[in-house]
Order: sequence, then structure tokens, then C-alpha cells
Amino acid sequence: EDQVTQSPEALRLQEGESSSLNCSYTVSGLRGLFWYRQDPGKGPEFLFTLYSAGEEKEKERLKATLTKKESFLHITAPKPEDSATYLCAVQATGRRALTFGSGTRLQVQP
Amino acid sequence: DVKVTQSSRYLVKRTGEKVFLECVQDMDHENMFWYRQDPGLGLRLIYFSYDVKMKEKGDIPEGYSVSREKKERFSLILESASTNQTSMYLCASSLGGASPYEQYFGPGTRLTVT
Repeated sequence: EDQVTQSPEALRLQEGESSSLNCSYTVSGLRGLFWYRQDPGKGPEFLFTLYSAGEEKEKERLKATLTKKESFLHITAPKPEDSATYLCAVQATGRRALTFGSGTRLQVQP
Repeated sequence: DVKVTQSSRYLVKRTGEKVFLECVQDMDHENMFWYRQDPGLGLRLIYFSYDVKMKEKGDIPEGYSVSREKKERFSLILESASTNQTSMYLCASSLGGASPYEQYFGPGTRLTVT
């Protein structure tokens, strides 16, 4: 059974204080790992897709990395507008659907 | 930009009512999905469809059915709503085929069953 575990559940940072969110996964074979951002009361917004270990992708203050067992979402010098829940999901070989983690709720204080 | 729309943002229904949630996407995507999201449980897949009239059960299909008569539209049906179906319902779509394409989500429907 595919499993995705995200940590921490919640994270509070001061503006400018860099940190990382973790996504550990167990799948029979990984086709892709996805990161999403979700604001309260809204649908998730796609951020990145990672396909293989060693891959990295960046977007503004966010950088996602992938190993064979986990992915990290690094947030550099965050701003209050980065406050959101960040979701990780995996797609296993032979499956069309994604398996989601429970998310990390990030709060950035000015 | 991909746009996924859902028929209602908020919905209040009574126990036992039949409930229809509609989802429309405008990007000619083959795959469409219905999830529910509950605090502490994350997103859980109810049903998905990979083509018109084709559907597969997700992780929690009990109490739900779906319909896809046109490529752009995917409906979730609660045959007899119960209070434990109070939740945020999210629709998503993606391209089909062998590659792991990202899913694009609608704004969600917050359903309350009283």
C-alpha cells in the first residue's frame, strides 16, 4: 500500500527564517512526486513535479528535492504570503490516482 | 490556464437527500477525480474516471456514485446523504496516458449534511 507521511504537521516561522518541510513516501515504484500549496477554503494549487532521485526544482522562494525515500520542500527567507498548507502526493507505477499526505500547515509571522 | 469549476462553494442538505456535485474542466483532460478532505485525514480519493463513461473506485467509494457522460463533466452523487458525509469535496483533472501528469483542482464544495 502506498503511503505518504509529512512532517512537521505545523510549522511557525518568522519572516526571513528559512526551513524545510519533509515528505517521506513508500511506493512500489515511483512515477512522480507532487507538491501542492493549499490556502484555507480553496483547492490545492500545483507547485512541482519530481520524477527521479536527485532532481531539484525551484520557484521563487521554494525549492523541492527528491531522494529515493523522501522529498524536501525548502523555503528560503519566507514571507507572510507563503503561509499555507503544503501537500505532498505520489503517483505509483501502474496507478492513475495520487496518494496524498496530510500536509504541513505553515505560518510565517511578520 | 487550466480551469476546473465546481457547481457550488457551499451546500447544506438534510439526511437522506440525494445530492449532486458537478465538476467541469475546460482543458480536454482525460482524467477526472473526486476527493474528500477532512482535518487530519488529508485528501482521500472517492472515484476517478479516465474516459467518458469509464470509472474506477478510489479508496472510499461507499455511499457515493459518479457519472461521466461528457469528457468535460464529472458528477459525484450521494445517493442518500448522511452526516458522516459532511466534508470538503474537491474535483481535479489531469491529462491521461502513461506519464505522471499533475492534477488541477477546483475550488471545492463544502457540504454540510444535517
